[in-house]
Amino acid sequence: DTAVSQTPKYLVTQMGNDKSIKCEQNLGHDTMYWYKQDSKKFLKIMFSYNNKELIINETVPNRFSPKSPDKAHLNLHINSLELGDSAVYFCASSQGVVSGANVLTFGAGSRLTVL
Amino acid sequence: AQSVTQLGSHVSVSEGALVLLRCNYSSSVPPYLFWYVQYPNQGLQLLLKYTTGATLVKGINGFEAEFKKSETSFHLTKPSAHMSDAAEYFCAVSFSGSARQLTFGSGTQLTVLP
Repeated sequence: DTAVSQTPKYLVTQMGNDKSIKCEQNLGHDTMYWYKQDSKKFLKIMFSYNNKELIINETVPNRFSPKSPDKAHLNLHINSLELGDSAVYFCASSQGVVSGANVLTFGAGSRLTVL
Repeated sequence: AQSVTQLGSHVSVSEGALVLLRCNYSSSVPPYLFWYVQYPNQGLQLLLKYTTGATLVKGINGFEAEFKKSETSFHLTKPSAHMSDAAEYFCAVSFSGSARQLTFGSGTQLTVLP
C-alpha cells in the first residue's frame, strides 16, 4: 500500500494549458509538501501545508496554486503552463509540526513535460 | 543562509569496493544533516540523518555518515558496494526551528560496476 501516491505519473501537455497533479498520503502525517526537481536534479520546495493550512509558500509564480481539502491530500494546479514548468514534481509528507528535523516521505514523482 | 555542495555528480565504484560520497554544507547555525537516496523512477527515501548527539550516524543498507563540524562535512560511506546501491544520492541540510525544510544538494549518481 503506497504511503505517498501521486497521479498522474507522467503528464505531457501543450503550452498555455492548465493541469493538476494530485497527491494523497495514508501515513496520518500532518504536513505535506510540493517539491520541484529540475533537469539538473536540483530539488526545491514550493509549498507546504500543515493540517490544511499553508505554511510555506516559496517564490513560485502565482500560476501555481496548491489546494489541501484535508490533511491527507495536497493537490497542485498549474495555470497557463510554460516550457520552464517542465520538471518532476514530488509530493512529500512528514509527521508533526514543521521542524528542521522532520523526515520526509516522498511520492514517486510526476514528470511534467510542456511542449 | 544554508547551502549544500556535493562533490562529484557521478561516482563509479566496483562491486565490493568502498563507497564514498562527499557532502559539504554551509550553515550559520548548528545544522541538521540528511542523506536521501532516489532509485530510478521512485521518490526519495531517507538513508540516515544527524540532528544531535553521536557524530557517526548509521543508516539503512549498511551506509553511515560522519558529521565533522570543523570540516563542515557529512560524507556518506559504505564499506562494500552492492549492485543494488546504484542510485542517485542527495545530501540535505536544515536547522532547528526551520520552517523552510530541507536545502538539497545537486545529487550524486552512483554507478556500481560488476
